[in-house]
Amino acid sequence: AQKVTQAQTEISVVEKEDVTLDCVYETRDTTYYLFWYKQPPSGELVFLIRRNSFDEQNEISGRYSWNFQKSTSSFNFTITASQVVDSAVYFCALSDLFGGSARQLTFGSGTQLTVLP
Amino acid sequence: DAGVTQSPTHLIKTRGQQVTLRCSPKSGHDTVSWYQQALGQGPQFIFQYYEEEERQRGNFPDRFSGHQFPNYSSELNVNALLLGDSALYLCASSLAGGFRNTIYFGEGSWLTVV
Repeated sequence: AQKVTQAQTEISVVEKEDVTLDCVYETRDTTYYLFWYKQPPSGELVFLIRRNSFDEQNEISGRYSWNFQKSTSSFNFTITASQVVDSAVYFCALSDLFGGSARQLTFGSGTQLTVLP
Repeated sequence: DAGVTQSPTHLIKTRGQQVTLRCSPKSGHDTVSWYQQALGQGPQFIFQYYEEEERQRGNFPDRFSGHQFPNYSSELNVNALLLGDSALYLCASSLAGGFRNTIYFGEGSWLTVV
């Protein structure tokens, strides 16, 4: 069975601070996808990044960066110079593969990030 | 390029009634999945449809059923509604095959059962 753990329930930072959201996962699959989504109060899950299990290259996109470490089953997400608009719930998710396609997503319980002005 | 669209946005139903939620996938996508998100929790997978067939199902009772149409749009039906079915129902779409596929979500349908 797959499992995703986001130990941080709530994080509060002051604008311009850096913040890291932790994600630890469990799976027996050798190939899988990892995702991060942002959920503002409107409810829509906004896609941020997808990472394949065989690609451990870390990625930076603007103020966002991701650190994937297969050895520790972690996929952490860092926001640099946080802004008030970053306030949302962030979800880490894991997917198995079937025929090369992602199947069901297993989500963590989410981290509520509040960025104070 | 239209994203994933869902309807209705909000609805209120009475316990015991039936509800149908609708989803149009992102243009070019052929796979639709449904998720239930209770307040304060992460989304839970209900089922996934591909080529008009249910390909995978999560741990939900038979009261939850679905359908996918030839144009890839989908419906989620819930019968004999319970108070515990109150949640945000999210539709997700993706393109089968190819390891670079990404899963996109709609804004969801907020269901309240009273």
